[in-house]
Amino acid sequence: DADVTQTPRNRITKTGKRIMLECSQTKGHDRMYWYRQDPGLGLRLIYYSFDVKDINKGEISDGYSVSRQAQAKFSLSLESAIPNQTALYFCATSDLLPDRTYGYTFGSGTRLTVV
Amino acid sequence: QKEVEQNSGPLSVPEGAIASLNCTYSDRGSQSFFWYRQYSGKSPELIMFIYSNGDKEDGRFTAQLNKASQYVSLLIRDSQPSDSATYLCAVFTGGFKTIFGAGTRLFVKA
Repeated sequence: DADVTQTPRNRITKTGKRIMLECSQTKGHDRMYWYRQDPGLGLRLIYYSFDVKDINKGEISDGYSVSRQAQAKFSLSLESAIPNQTALYFCATSDLLPDRTYGYTFGSGTRLTVV
Repeated sequence: QKEVEQNSGPLSVPEGAIASLNCTYSDRGSQSFFWYRQYSGKSPELIMFIYSNGDKEDGRFTAQLNKASQYVSLLIRDSQPSDSATYLCAVFTGGFKTIFGAGTRLFVKA
């Protein structure tokens, strides 16, 4: 089984619909993140959580919300999907590296299309 | 100016050659630097990280850091077709913030 599992892998939804993307991890990491990836723009941070009670907005949180149900589970919701939220979404966890910085382990991604 | 800049490529090299991937960053307070490899349709995978000026080697990969020039590079020796991927440069600026570049596509010709 993958260390970081995302569901669904692909989703097509209509404008205005609410949609939830789910993420679970078996690495035992406290830190979890949601990123979106768009061509030419790289990975951009939507939300991050350092533990179950600590949730923070990233650089592009408008139109999104999250829930940290447990240490291992972090879900992302689009309250009312719009076409410019069409993107590849990644969940990630991070682990402390020798220099006290954090390297990421990414899930397999969810390709979301809003029509 | 983007916070982390990479040439989008594609960078094309013949099999067996050295591939050189470059990245510049704008925040002089940046602390750690990463290279992630992303195959088409897959998720990014951490392959190298460096935090001190100079070189760090791991197998065929060498990461180079020059903080004065705000420049980080990745060298891939004896490039193989399996190295064909997009390489993302990422910079940790402290706290929670890691900034990713848009990536450089590498194509290794057999």
